[in-house]
Order: sequence, then C-alpha cells, then structure tokens
Amino acid sequence: SAVISQKPSRDICQRGTSLTIQCQVDSQVTMMFWYRQQPGQSLTLIATANQGSEATYESGFVIDKFPISRPNLTFSTLTVSNMSPEDSSIYLCSVEDDVRASSRYFGAGTRLSVL
Amino acid sequence: GENVEQHPSTLSVQEGDSAVIKCTYSDSASNYFPWYKQELGKRPQLIIDIRSNVGEKKDQRIAVTLNKTAKHFSLHITETQPEDSAVYFCAASNKRLTGGGNKLTFGTGTQLKVEL
Repeated sequence: SAVISQKPSRDICQRGTSLTIQCQVDSQVTMMFWYRQQPGQSLTLIATANQGSEATYESGFVIDKFPISRPNLTFSTLTVSNMSPEDSSIYLCSVEDDVRASSRYFGAGTRLSVL
Repeated sequence: GENVEQHPSTLSVQEGDSAVIKCTYSDSASNYFPWYKQELGKRPQLIIDIRSNVGEKKDQRIAVTLNKTAKHFSLHITETQPEDSAVYFCAASNKRLTGGGNKLTFGTGTQLKVEL
C-alpha cells in the first residue's frame, strides 16, 4: 500500500487565521481525497482532488473555505481558511490505490484546534 | 446519495469470543465495501474489503460477508484478542459518473472492546 505522509500532525490556531495541511505520497496516484473527522465521529469527505483539474467538493464544503491544490501525482494541500472554533477537527488525506482500484489508504491526520 | 448504517455502535466481548458488526447500504449500484480499523489517535487502517462479485472473503480471523439482495454486509472477527479493541468503520463505494474517483461513504462506527 502507499505510504502517506501528512503534516503538520497537529496545530493550535487562532480564530480568523488559515492553516495549510500537506499530504505527500511515496508513489504516483490519480485520486487524492480530503476527509474531516470530528472527535468520536465518522469520516466525512470534504473533496476529491485529481491532478490537473479543479477539486470536486461535497455538499456543505466550498472552495473559498477549503482551497485544495494538487500540483502533481504525489502531493496535495488542503487549506482551512478563516478558521473558527467549529473547524476544530482531524483532517485526513487519503489516496486511492491505482493498482487495486478502489482501495483507500489514509494519512495519519492533522489534529486542528482553533481557539 | 449513498447512506450507510452501522450497528451496533458499541460492542463488548470476552477475549476468545466472536464479534459481528453489521452494515446496510442504500445504493444498489455500490460495488465495493471496505472495513477500517481505527485505534485511538491513529489513522483508519484498511483491514479487509469485498467487491460485489464476491459473497464472502476471509483473512485469518477476519471475514466479511455481502448480501447484495438485502444490501447488507457484515464483519466477523473470531477468537477476539485485546488488540482487536478499536473503532471499526464500514464503507460503501458509489462510483461517480463525473468528477472521477469512487466516493466512499462511511458508516458511523462501532467501538469494539475485547475484555480479558
């Protein structure tokens, strides 16, 4: 399976600021995904990032709030903009295995706290 | 869109007993059903998956069954051990027609506790 490095692992941020989370994969993958997981809750898909095209956002998530970059087949970033305490959560990147289609693997996550 | 329901939300078993977690899905077009194990503070780990052309799959102490007609699938863990204690998530994949990629919809999770 792909090895996924995500950073930062955690951060404490002030209200109104922005944080960019990076996701690096050790192999080229077509699809990358960003999820949010509230403490004790399930995983909610924020957006799908395909290299060379605009990210596709799920209902309830917008590009102005969660801009995503996907400059190449091994890297993506998610920015959480103009943060409020409601954005406190764990953000995880995920990749789809191009060989075993559909198999999904996750990064270790970024634990974000907004004061 | 796809809706995945998962039961029970918590499950406590004695070491050595079996544990069964059940999920139902709503979209008959879903064709991929993975299970993830998430230990406290860790990333979700894919432990087993099944595709819609297979009714059952087994990997050592873990097995998954799929009933496409009833639209439900289950995770079976035999001979449970304390290290099996974790939150388990089921998911169903709904292939997008546009935008690329398979959208995975997750269940709400089951907290499994294996007691000595």
